[in-house]
Amino acid sequence: ETGVTQTPRHLVMGMTNKKSLKCEQHLGHNAMYWYKQSAKKPLELMFVYNFKEQTENNSVPSRFSPECPNSSHLFLHLHTLQPEDSALYLCASSQDYGLWVRRDRETYEQYFGPGTRLTVT
Amino acid sequence: KQEVTQIPAALSVPEGENLVLNCSFTDSAIYNLQWFRQDPGKGLTSLLLIQSSQREQTSGRLNASLDKSSGRSTLYIAASQPGDSATYLCAVEETSGSRLTFGEGTQLTVNP
Repeated sequence: ETGVTQTPRHLVMGMTNKKSLKCEQHLGHNAMYWYKQSAKKPLELMFVYNFKEQTENNSVPSRFSPECPNSSHLFLHLHTLQPEDSALYLCASSQDYGLWVRRDRETYEQYFGPGTRLTVT
Repeated sequence: KQEVTQIPAALSVPEGENLVLNCSFTDSAIYNLQWFRQDPGKGLTSLLLIQSSQREQTSGRLNASLDKSSGRSTLYIAASQPGDSATYLCAVEETSGSRLTFGEGTQLTVNP
């Protein structure tokens, strides 16, 4: 186990539904990430939060809404999704994020959760 | 924009064979390169991390090399085992921050 958990592991939702994905890390990290992994495509970074502040938004559609209430928890709120949004959504965490951090492996190495397999019907 | 390519997309080998997975990246201004393993339905596990100043890293039967100037990395797996079957992902961290850019992965099957 990596110390990063995600729930639910599987989710099927209609295009008009509203659902949320949850990620929790037990590593004392300050940075958390959402990635999307679609079939036949590279893993794509969606959002980065550092000390609860959003530091990266990789041009993600507004139907995906992240929330980071504290450094241990990260949510991805979903509404009016499209079938092409079906994918594996991975959460990750690292000690810190950004150029100013001390540049050693313990600081920036990312630990990944098991993912949520999302199917939009 | 950094692009990472992995070849081959899929590989099937008999148990015991030595094999090489390839990764190439378009922008050589990287901070480090990582190799990950992903099992079906699971997240990523970091295997090896090579900093830009290093040439290679070894862990057990795995050896990863980095040629930053040519934009290439290889992951060498010695004496492959069925338990090595998984998807192997290559990712580079750019000097502009901690953003990781991933390749599409190589799906490896080691047959008993």
